[in-house]
Amino acid sequence: GAVVSQHPSWVICKSGTSVKIECRSLDFQATTMFWYRQFPKQSLMLMATSNEGSKATYEQGVEKDKFLINHASLTLSTLTVTSAHPEDSSFYICSASLGQGPYSNQPQHFGDGTRLSIL
Amino acid sequence: KNQVEQSPQSLIILEGKNCTLQCNYTVSPFSNLRWYKQDTGRGPVSLTIMTFSENTKSNGRYTATLDADTKQSSLHITASQLSDSASYICVVSDDYKLSFGAGTTVTVRA
Repeated sequence: GAVVSQHPSWVICKSGTSVKIECRSLDFQATTMFWYRQFPKQSLMLMATSNEGSKATYEQGVEKDKFLINHASLTLSTLTVTSAHPEDSSFYICSASLGQGPYSNQPQHFGDGTRLSIL
Repeated sequence: KNQVEQSPQSLIILEGKNCTLQCNYTVSPFSNLRWYKQDTGRGPVSLTIMTFSENTKSNGRYTATLDADTKQSSLHITASQLSDSASYICVVSDDYKLSFGAGTTVTVRA
């Protein structure tokens, strides 16, 4: 149980295009979903926390107009990287939790990530 | 600033041997501590989660310990297998957010 599916797994696109990444909880309803970014050989960096039906809470330094997050249902959250540039190339990972907020004792279940390469 | 430091940064062990990974943190107030395993190019998978009152928790060949007084945790891998090759991440939660360690990369060789 507790499977999180992330799609696509790999994206290569030209600079200036927008890319949408989907995160779905397949067998449970996720109260909260999280989006992370990970650079090679570095740990995950939380970008934003989203609760279904409300606006996402972005971490300091993360541009909310650049990284649009929509959490329309308890099983789906999307991250759209708008007008992507080479510096946006990274590994983006989502996670979903039954708990409220990142401090919850409920474990976070991670997707397998999306490798984004901007040419 | 809340910090989570893991050591060693990487290690290589022979199949069948044991190893122990360390995690020191300064996160306060403390809510819980989690260990995750992340295979290359994949998302992290939860191994253990411990709250303040828990000193040890096992998940198969993985055993995590927690000393909340010294703010230290360890992850012990017993009888390592080739499939244990991965990055192991220590994550500490306060009442608001998670703080991630940089991970320890474990390579198990036959």
